Amino acid sequence: QPALTQPASVSGSPGQSITISCTGTNTDVGRYKFVSWYQQFPGKAPRLIIYKVSERPSGVSARFSGSKSANTAFLTISGLQPEDEADYYCHSYAGSDTPGRFGGGTKLTVL
Amino acid sequence: VQVQESGPGLVRSSETLSLTCSVSGDAIRSFYWSWIRQAPGKGLEWVGYMFYTGHTNYNPSLKSRVTMSVDTSKNQFSLKLTSVTAADTARYYCAAFSSDWYFFELWGQGALVTVSS
Repeated sequence: QPALTQPASVSGSPGQSITISCTGTNTDVGRYKFVSWYQQFPGKAPRLIIYKVSERPSGVSARFSGSKSANTAFLTISGLQPEDEADYYCHSYAGSDTPGRFGGGTKLTVL
Repeated sequence: VQVQESGPGLVRSSETLSLTCSVSGDAIRSFYWSWIRQAPGKGLEWVGYMFYTGHTNYNPSLKSRVTMSVDTSKNQFSLKLTSVTAADTARYYCAAFSSDWYFFELWGQGALVTVSS
């Protein structure tokens, strides 16, 4: 079960927008509309911020948005704020009887 | 819904790691309950999941050492990982996997398990 591919790190200044990519294959990201994203602060549990490619759970800021093109999903954070500095993980469904695959994680630094 | 992991924080090498996840309310019947681990400084690794009916699915790389069980009367499900090594040192999270939209909806705070030699 190879992991989905994410950049190890991204950075941006307050107020800017950044995009994190999550590349899979036509057996996971490319086949299903079930990509989710998780935010994790140091020493804390991951928190769901996007599901079903672009849906936001209640309570998640509208500055977080998701999209997908072919085998790659994207998480965009607009109006970057210092408190967005965290690790971000993507996950994709990969077929029945499996919980799918995680990305390797991306560390976001707000300069 | 409250999700809480519990278990020993230190396990000797070659022995068995045992963790319990306690779930509030009837949520134990609503999700595929998963164990996900994260080694220090590393990413997330799915260990396995279980439905309250007893249906399980384990990470192929760990399958020979993993057993999950459920006790619906106590709203708990458990993880056992045998023959542990230092590579099994990680924070183990209990997470609710939604089979409607295939995402991990709820997470416990995690239990740090260190394997000592």
